[in-house]
Amino acid sequence: NAGVTQTPKFQVLKTGQSMTLQCAQDMNHNSMYWYRQDPGMGLRLIYYSASEGTTDKGEVPNGYNVSRLNKREFSLRLESAAPSQTSVYFCASKQDRVLEKLFFGSGTQLSVL
Amino acid sequence: DAKTTQPTSMDCAEGRAANLPCNHSTISGNEYVYWYRQIHSQGPQYIIHGLKNNETNEMASLIITEDRKSSTLILPHATLRDTAVYYCIRRDYKLSFGAGTTVTVRA
Repeated sequence: NAGVTQTPKFQVLKTGQSMTLQCAQDMNHNSMYWYRQDPGMGLRLIYYSASEGTTDKGEVPNGYNVSRLNKREFSLRLESAAPSQTSVYFCASKQDRVLEKLFFGSGTQLSVL
Repeated sequence: DAKTTQPTSMDCAEGRAANLPCNHSTISGNEYVYWYRQIHSQGPQYIIHGLKNNETNEMASLIITEDRKSSTLILPHATLRDTAVYYCIRRDYKLSFGAGTTVTVRA
């Protein structure tokens, strides 16, 4: 069972470069999420998608864009990377609109130099 | 305006019960409390959730006070592999996790 798969696992960018973080889930979940986690801190929500075709901003959306490509896939794009975006990025999904039982991927460690 | 409040850290002896408190004094009547843990740098893992009654599963027990203003996650027989950051969260559109409690289980 793959669950939630994130690619890449590690990435180093230069300031101003762009990249897309990929996330896919095979659990037929409706909702998907992107979080960032800075050293020694909890997770902060960047964007989420309650269902296919919809996306909404979370707590820290600035500098990011997302695409809910289909029910399985939810990508996060950094158009012009900044050092402040150095972080670990986690994707998550859940089935139920009410219950917050999230399943997380293993994360992408991103460094922006 | 913190949604939940947890101690920053706590230690526990291997084989003993670990009791992790969480304060959620502003919780509404139909709002669940959820617990997750994050081992090292892995993605968080769901542990348990509850509304009013105490809950138990293969991982832990959750005790919720009658006024629902606080709860305690209990790891009945802590092992070294339970060393992790434990998060207590409420349903919120931001679904953000605070800093949690860093639990260190010592041999």
